[in-house]
Amino acid sequence: EPEVTQTPSHQVTQMGQEVILRCVPISNHLYFYWYRQILGQKVEFLVSFYNNEISEKSEIFDDQFSVERPDGSNFTLKIRSTKLEDSAMYFCASSDWGGETQYFGPGTRLLVL
Amino acid sequence: GESVGLHLPTLSVQEGDNSIINCAYSNSASDYFIWYKQESGKGPQFIIDIRSNMDKRQGQRVTVLLNKTVKHLSLQIAATQPGDSAVYFCAEYNYGQNFVFGPGTRLSVLP
Repeated sequence: EPEVTQTPSHQVTQMGQEVILRCVPISNHLYFYWYRQILGQKVEFLVSFYNNEISEKSEIFDDQFSVERPDGSNFTLKIRSTKLEDSAMYFCASSDWGGETQYFGPGTRLLVL
Repeated sequence: GESVGLHLPTLSVQEGDNSIINCAYSNSASDYFIWYKQESGKGPQFIIDIRSNMDKRQGQRVTVLLNKTVKHLSLQIAATQPGDSAVYFCAEYNYGQNFVFGPGTRLSVLP
C-alpha cells in the first residue's frame, strides 16, 4: 500500500539555524500539506500546496517558513531561523483531491535547543 | 472548551464493549469531516469521513454520526479491541480554512 514517507524521523538543531524537513507524498497525489503538533497538543494546519504553489496557509506559516517541490517527488518544509517554539512534530500529508482524505506521514520530530 | 496540553479527555472501555467518542466542531460552514486515529509516536491515520449532506456513515466496526444542528460529531466503535487504544480526533474542513483539528480523546481499552 502506498504511503507518505518523511525524513529525518528526528532532527535536533540550534536556535537560529535553518532546517529542511523532507517528505515524499503518495505518487499520484496532487495536494500536499504540512501540519505541526506541539507535544500534547492538537494538530495544527500550516500550509497546503497544489500545482506548484501555496493554496492556503495559516497564521503560523510566517516568513520564516517556506515550502518547495524541487523535483516532482519530494515536498520540503524549510524553517529559515528556528526558534525554541518551533519544537514540534511536523507531519506531511497528501491527497488526490483538495479537501478529500489526507494520508499522513509518520512525522519528523524537531527539537530546537 | 478545548483541552490544551497533556490533559486529554480519556475514555476507558472494556474490551468487547462499544465506544462512543464525541467532538464539537466550531464552524457551521464546514462541509466535510474526518475522524483520525493517532497512536503514540505515529502520524494521524484516517478512519472514516462524512460530508455535511449526510447524518450517518458506517464503516467496518465504525460509525460516524453528524448533527449539524448542534455542530456535533461522534465516532462509534463496535466491539472495541486492544488495538483500538489511541488518541482519536475529528477534523472539520471548509474551503478557505482547510482542516481544523480537534484536541482529541484518548481511548483506553481495558482487558
